[in-house]
Amino acid sequence: NAGVMQNPRHLVRRRGQEARLRCSPMKGHSHVYWYRQLPEEGLKFMVYLQKENIIDESGMPKERFSAEFPKEGPSILRIQQVVRGDSAAYFCASSPRGQNTGELFFGEGSRLTVL
Amino acid sequence: AQRVTQPEKLLSVFKGAPVELKCNYSYSGSPELFWYVQYSRQRLQLLLRHISRESIKGFTADLNKGETSFHLKKPFAQEEDSAMYYCALSGTGNQFYFGTGTSLTVIP
Repeated sequence: NAGVMQNPRHLVRRRGQEARLRCSPMKGHSHVYWYRQLPEEGLKFMVYLQKENIIDESGMPKERFSAEFPKEGPSILRIQQVVRGDSAAYFCASSPRGQNTGELFFGEGSRLTVL
Repeated sequence: AQRVTQPEKLLSVFKGAPVELKCNYSYSGSPELFWYVQYSRQRLQLLLRHISRESIKGFTADLNKGETSFHLKKPFAQEEDSAMYYCALSGTGNQFYFGTGTSLTVIP
């Protein structure tokens, strides 16, 4: 089991461009979480998804940000018209089921830099 | 609203000294509390959870509902304990909320 895979590891975009970050959960995991880590800050919850459903997106900015977790393929965090303030590390985590197992398995993160 | 507070961004202790990383939370129900750790160049990983009442790598954490705290403790710090530590809370709906983290440095 390769673990949670995130790509790209590093992404550079100019202001106004779109950024797409991908997350493949661990095999057998159907629950995905996205977190953002800004410089000098901790992990901030963004969105929690199950296959084909957004369960909780209370941490997502209302505009420009969207997330999906299709039946097939990775979860995608999409940021449209990026601004410098979007520069951060974005972490994905997965868990095997809805019950509170207490363990999230994290990817290595995708670092977005907006020029 | 759910909140996890880690008041110390940085903490330095000498090898062999006791260490305590503080965590306070606010939550209206009965949360599950966890400690996650990120060693240098490694992924964030679960260290321990309060429900298991376990000791991992010499670390323990006791949930104090009266003080709404879940401090992480180790009696004798080791150099390999140097890492970033995050306190986390899980409530209903399986959301996980993390604190801002404490960077622990164990001085040889």
